Amino acid sequence: QQQVKQSPQSLIVQKGGISIINCAYENTAFDYFPWYQQFPGKGPALLIAIRPDVSEKKEGRFTISFNKSAKQFSLHIMDSQPGDSATYFCAASRMDSSYKLIFGSGTRLLVRP
Amino acid sequence: DAGVTQSPTHLIKTRGQQVTLRCSPKSGHDTVSWYQQALGQGPQFIFQYYEEEERQRGNFPDRFSGHQFPNYSSELNVNALLLGDSALYLCASSLDYTYEQYFGPGTRLTVT
Repeated sequence: QQQVKQSPQSLIVQKGGISIINCAYENTAFDYFPWYQQFPGKGPALLIAIRPDVSEKKEGRFTISFNKSAKQFSLHIMDSQPGDSATYFCAASRMDSSYKLIFGSGTRLLVRP
Repeated sequence: DAGVTQSPTHLIKTRGQQVTLRCSPKSGHDTVSWYQQALGQGPQFIFQYYEEEERQRGNFPDRFSGHQFPNYSSELNVNALLLGDSALYLCASSLDYTYEQYFGPGTRLTVT
């Protein structure tokens, strides 16, 4: 059972544009929602994360928007750069489940120069 | 401050063999989680170790086992390797009772 659904599978954006990746979750017990960035041959790197008591969190060019009632959250990358080209994973975890991460299927982002 | 380290980087094994992967957590972290990432997919949780004990386990068979040492480093063992075990194996470390998990570069296991 896929508990975190991610879309789109791939995304092409022009340099300077906004990249938007969406995730939906099923289990309302999740209480932590991180985004990870992964480059080829590397491990995932924690990018930004949000708790469900907050509707938006911004760090530099990266923003998470969180809609608790819809059980959805999204990553916005402003002023996208070619260096942002990577695979992005959303995830969810629960404190009462030892914080184990449940990942989405990933989005391959290509930012064209 | 060293991040999470894993060894070896790459490994090629034959079906039926056994393999041991190693992980050293980020300095100050006491909890280690292992994930399996098949090509083109998101990581899947295998198990987590804290205080040298397996605290939580994902949907993986008993062929997958682990260990945590007093210095918090950890090993992942896989017995009777199958072709389907070919994947990137990721170790993530964290501090107990915190959400943030930091991943190592992974070990790429190929089973032929």
